[in-house]
Amino acid sequence: SQKIEQNSEALNIQEGKTATLTCNYTNYSPAYLQWYRQDPGRGPVFLLLIRENEKEKRKERLKVTFDTTLKQSLFHITASQPADSATYLCALDRPDNYGQNFVFGPGTRLSVLP
Amino acid sequence: SAVISQKPSRDICQRGTSLTIQCQVDSQVTMMFWYRQQPGQSLTLIATANQGSEATYESGFVIDKFPISRPNLTFSTLTVSNMSPEDSSIYLCSLTRGTYNEQFFGPGTRLTVL
Repeated sequence: SQKIEQNSEALNIQEGKTATLTCNYTNYSPAYLQWYRQDPGRGPVFLLLIRENEKEKRKERLKVTFDTTLKQSLFHITASQPADSATYLCALDRPDNYGQNFVFGPGTRLSVLP
Repeated sequence: SAVISQKPSRDICQRGTSLTIQCQVDSQVTMMFWYRQQPGQSLTLIATANQGSEATYESGFVIDKFPISRPNLTFSTLTVSNMSPEDSSIYLCSLTRGTYNEQFFGPGTRLTVL
């Protein structure tokens, strides 16, 4: 069956370091993959999208890679700040796509320590 | 971006009762989506609400338990019927916009069933 895993439930890093979050999937062939940020008590907020034919996408301090051979996406936050502390979710487009929506991973809770 | 509002923002309900959650969006959209996020979990799609037709439910969700209305292109309701403590969750509505179906979420409705 289809499955999405994110590297760990929680990740703690020191301010200024690069945070790297992993999203692995099985039994999918997504055309594109999205990353969202969710703060406590709020709905997820879209950050970045990467298509299957793109290896890397950047936006300010964020970088996403997409390896369809490894079935993995990496999400990097460089020069991390305490304000980056949140839960980060990856989402893959549904195989059937009849709803044109996405399936979400379980999320990784990132804490950036000052 | 998108402006999405939900009412109520939170509620505490008794077992066996029903609650209707409203979702209002800032412009017309064909499809709206209802998700559930149980404590510590990721988002699970309940159903896709299309204007002018019956909602499409995901496996494990049925219309009798989660009836949905979609009277126009900017509004939808989700009812959680005959509630039990297992229904305690955050319920979020969303829509997609953009070439690659970037998802925008409402702020969520936090439901607690006693």
